[in-house]
Amino acid sequence: AQSVTQLGSHVSVSEGALVLLRCNYSSSVPPYLFWYVQYPNQGLQLLLKYTSAATLVKGINGFEAEFKKSETSFHLTKPSAHMSDAAEYFCAVRVRMDSSYKLIFGSGTRLLVRP
Amino acid sequence: NAGVTQTPKFRVLKTGQSMTLLCAQDMNHEYMYWYRQDPGMGLRLIHYSVGEGTTAKGEVPDGYNVSRLKKQNFLLGLESAAPSQTSVYFCASSRDRASGANVLTFGAGSRLTVL
Repeated sequence: AQSVTQLGSHVSVSEGALVLLRCNYSSSVPPYLFWYVQYPNQGLQLLLKYTSAATLVKGINGFEAEFKKSETSFHLTKPSAHMSDAAEYFCAVRVRMDSSYKLIFGSGTRLLVRP
Repeated sequence: NAGVTQTPKFRVLKTGQSMTLLCAQDMNHEYMYWYRQDPGMGLRLIHYSVGEGTTAKGEVPDGYNVSRLKKQNFLLGLESAAPSQTSVYFCASSRDRASGANVLTFGAGSRLTVL
């Protein structure tokens, strides 16, 4: 079965430091992968998506993720954290569902940014 | 452009009571979804719809019913609420399958507490 695993329920970084949020996937077919961000008391917003084109995907707010098939990973990075990046981040994989598709989400990683 | 609107935003119920959550989207999306979000468990799909008049079960459908009488609306019902249904509920929508990549637009969430 297709799934995603996010390592670390909480990640804390200093402002200006590198952000690295880990996601590993399990899929028997070439996956479509997504990162979503959830700010406090809001719904999820799409950060970026991988759909089998370029392996390095750039998203909004300076985030990017690299698809590594050999490592079955899709880690999210940002060179320099900003206070406004504090949020919960979800990795997701698209799976087949009858005649359609659905997204399976990981359990989420809460990013804390220290001044 | 409102996107996806959920009502109500907050609700407290007693065990055994019934209620309906309303989701409305103004983007002419074909697909609509109901997820629940619980701490440490990410988002789990309750029910979904691939078009007006159609509904299908997701990962955790027990205790919930849905209806999609109009393309823009997707209702989630709890016939007899239980404390295990205390959660934050998110509605999402996406364009049809042919548009690809299943990018979801989420509502802001509805926080339900069952006492």
